[in-house]
Amino acid sequence: EVQLVQSGAEVKKPGESLKISCRASGYQFLNYWIGWVRQMPGKGLEWMGIIYPSDSDTRYGPAFQGQVTISVDKSINTAFLQWSGLKASDTAIYFCARLPSLRSGFDYWGQGALVSVSS
Amino acid sequence: IQMTQSPSSLSASVGDRVTITCRASQDIGSRYLHWYQQKAGKAPKLLINAASSLQAGVPLRFRGSGSGKNFTLTITSLQPEDFATYYCHQSETTPLDTFGQGTKVVI
Repeated sequence: EVQLVQSGAEVKKPGESLKISCRASGYQFLNYWIGWVRQMPGKGLEWMGIIYPSDSDTRYGPAFQGQVTISVDKSINTAFLQWSGLKASDTAIYFCARLPSLRSGFDYWGQGALVSVSS
Repeated sequence: IQMTQSPSSLSASVGDRVTITCRASQDIGSRYLHWYQQKAGKAPKLLINAASSLQAGVPLRFRGSGSGKNFTLTITSLQPEDFATYYCHQSETTPLDTFGQGTKVVI
């Protein structure tokens, strides 16, 4: 069974750094793109970026380029999303999701991780 | 590419036929448009891939169609479990993917 299990909710202050995770199981982790999608409170979905675990080829949406870093650790089948200096506007739910092929829809999703940033 | 969904919300009854449209600001062909269902507090679920390909396990009452700029998600007979928000997603221009703003289906 394909599963994506995300790390838990986080409460942070502006300027702090954060790295959230998405652990994959039930399929060949190296062979599928993994992406991240943001959902701000009460709002719609925003495509952040994707990474191909086999070679760490990473593509960012223009709004997120330079704002976040997407990475993987192949030894533990886990993808990461990190910030070096959080802002209040980063408050959102972040979903990881699997892409069966580049430019397809996301077929499996993590449960989401709530990130709250407030002073 | 901008994706415009309509309506932004709709009220319907069990058994109704429901149609949601998604219009792209430019031609995206017929393979790079996908539909998701999201229930409150849950992750989105892929319903339709590549405009018309029903995902495994998704009921046959969900149908996707369209090409070019205009796409449609139809629920042929609305069921109680279908009350949710629906999003389209274009991937023709990865990494410039965009989602529609969502359509909330309420009772």
